[in-house]
Amino acid sequence: DGGITQSPKYLFRKEGQNVTLSCEQNLNHDAMYWYRQDPGQGLRLIYYSQIVNDFQKGDIAEGYSVSREKKESFPLTVTSAQKNPTAFYLCASSSRTTGSYEQYFGPGTRLTVT
Amino acid sequence: QKEVEQNSGPLSVPEGAIASLNCTYSDRVSQSFFWYRQYSGKSPELIMSIYSNGDKEDGRFTAQLNKASQYVSLLIRDSQPSDSATYLCAVKAGGYQKVTFGTGTKLQVIP
Repeated sequence: DGGITQSPKYLFRKEGQNVTLSCEQNLNHDAMYWYRQDPGQGLRLIYYSQIVNDFQKGDIAEGYSVSREKKESFPLTVTSAQKNPTAFYLCASSSRTTGSYEQYFGPGTRLTVT
Repeated sequence: QKEVEQNSGPLSVPEGAIASLNCTYSDRVSQSFFWYRQYSGKSPELIMSIYSNGDKEDGRFTAQLNKASQYVSLLIRDSQPSDSATYLCAVKAGGYQKVTFGTGTKLQVIP
C-alpha cells in the first residue's frame, strides 16, 4: 500500500522549543517537499530535496531545517527561530523519472505553538 | 502580480450544474499544470494534470489549457455536494521541480 505518511497528525509545543515533523514515503520517489499552509492562504514551499543528501531552500526557509539521509524520509525541524510556527505542514513527493512532476501529499501535521 | 492567480470564491453552483474554475499564471515558460482538490482540514489531492494546449477529460472533470492566454481551467460536470471543496491550481516552470500553487477557489455545490 504505497503512500506518504506524516506524523503526528496534531502537535502542540511551547514557544522556544524545537520540534521535528516526520515524513516517510514508500512510492520510490526521488523528490520530496515541505510546504506550509496558513488559513485562507496557498501552499508556501519551505524546503525541497531532489536526491538523497541534497536539499534546497524554498521561499520561506528561515527558522526551518531539514535532512535527507534516506530516500524514503525527509524530516522537517521547526526551530525556535521561526517566528510564527503555528500552521498546517504538508509533505509531498514526486517522481523525477516519469517526467510528470505530479506531487502527491501526505495527510499533514497541524502544529500549534503557544 | 502573483505567479498563479485564482478567484478565492466562494463559487456557488446548484447540484447537477457545471462548475467552472479558472486560473491564470504569469510565467510564459510554464510547462505543467495541475488541479488539486482540498477538503476542509485535509491535504490536497491531485485530480488532473495537463501539459499541452486543449482539453483533457477524466470522468466528470475536464481541464482546459491555453498557453497563449496563460490560462488553465477546470470544469466539473454534474456537480455533486461532495465536490464542495477548495480547488488549487498549480503550475510548474523551469528545469527543476518547483511547483507554484494558487491560493485556491472555494466551491460550494448547493443540493
